[in-house]
Amino acid sequence: QTVVTQEPSFSVSPGGTVTLTCGLSSGSVSTTYYPSWYQQTPGQAPRTLIYSTNTRSSGVPDRFSGSILGNKAALTITGAQADDESDYYCVLYMGSGIWVFGGGTKLTVL
Amino acid sequence: QVQLQESGPGLVKPSEILSLTCTVSGGSSSSDYWNWIRQPPGKGLEWIGHIYNSGHTSYNPSLKSRVTISIDTSKNQFSLKLSSVTAADTAVYYCARGLTGTTPRPFDCWGQGTLVTVSS
Repeated sequence: QTVVTQEPSFSVSPGGTVTLTCGLSSGSVSTTYYPSWYQQTPGQAPRTLIYSTNTRSSGVPDRFSGSILGNKAALTITGAQADDESDYYCVLYMGSGIWVFGGGTKLTVL
Repeated sequence: QVQLQESGPGLVKPSEILSLTCTVSGGSSSSDYWNWIRQPPGKGLEWIGHIYNSGHTSYNPSLKSRVTISIDTSKNQFSLKLSSVTAADTAVYYCARGLTGTTPRPFDCWGQGTLVTVSS
């Protein structure tokens, strides 16, 4: 069974730039996996940031961007702010109607 | 603005059936489909499955043998049944809308989530 991989944790300084990645235990992520990214703060439902690799959801600041970097999907946050401290999840489409989430990345801003 | 609201028992006994309903308000379109996702306490998200307005379903292979998702378009509701539950099924259960298209949005809009605890 294919596993979607994310960094368990990451830290960034306020104002800094951070890139979180979303990979596969076997193979490369491409746009055909329609990678999406979600932000979740404790006790809240996830919020859509990016879908279909690089399309920002309505109301999401342009300092959040999505891309394919090498063999992984990537979420880049530029000018990190304190309220960006959250858990970030990616999800990939595996075909046949099946979606698989990554394990999530806990981002600390300090 | 579509809104989703989960409802159902917060406590289920082991080996019994977990049943939840998601009520959708604010309208829907032909490109919508409807998902269930769960999150055990302190852990990550897990996609359970989805259903289209047509009734076509897809399920997580690891849960497929125990999951049934159904829809009642006349009531703007869709439902989840998970059989033979164990403590490992304790989680916050979310419903979410997906949108098809050339740029699909798998979980565009989420309910607030409901905690279901499996315990005797």
